[in-house]
Amino acid sequence: SQTIHQWPATLVQPVGSPLSLECTVEGTSNPNLYWYRQAAGRGLQLLFYSVGIGQISSEVPQNLSASRPQDRQFILSSKKLLLSDSGFYLCAWSFRFYTGELFFGEGSRLTVL
Amino acid sequence: KNEVEQSPQNLTAQEGEFITINCSYSVGISALHWLQQHPGGGIVSLFMLSSGKKKHGRLIATINIQEKHSSLHITASHPRDSAVYICAVSTQGGSEKLVFGKGTKLTVNP
Repeated sequence: SQTIHQWPATLVQPVGSPLSLECTVEGTSNPNLYWYRQAAGRGLQLLFYSVGIGQISSEVPQNLSASRPQDRQFILSSKKLLLSDSGFYLCAWSFRFYTGELFFGEGSRLTVL
Repeated sequence: KNEVEQSPQNLTAQEGEFITINCSYSVGISALHWLQQHPGGGIVSLFMLSSGKKKHGRLIATINIQEKHSSLHITASHPRDSAVYICAVSTQGGSEKLVFGKGTKLTVNP
């Protein structure tokens, strides 16, 4: 069966520090991968998606970036965090791009101070 | 106006009650998703449907494509059903994307 893992679960970072959130999927190959952010009181916002190794599409301009160095690994990064980057970040995958059932990781709660 | 609207925003029920959460959308879709977000934040996919009705245990999801409306029903609600329920649609057209509602927070009291 397929599983998705995301870490770290919680982190508190100072403004201007770097960020790296990692997500891995097991039990499937060539998954479509997504990074979402959920700000307090708001819906899920798609940040990045990837349909294959090295292929990254950005949905919103920001100081975050994503990379997919391996088929089942998806990384969300920032060189310098802003206060507005605080939120709950979720990694997800699907068999079919956008129309397939979504499977989510456990989420990472980021607080930027 | 958001492309996906859910109602109500908050819902409190007593254990055993029948619950309905509504989702309306304004775009053409290829599928509609119902998700459950637990208090800890984790999200689980409950249903993905494009027509008719689906049932899983005490949960039932229906969709009316003509009216662009879906409902999620919970029968014999239980405190463990307390969560945020999110409706999302896979849009059709030249730029397919997933659009999420803001969620309905359900609290079931014992």
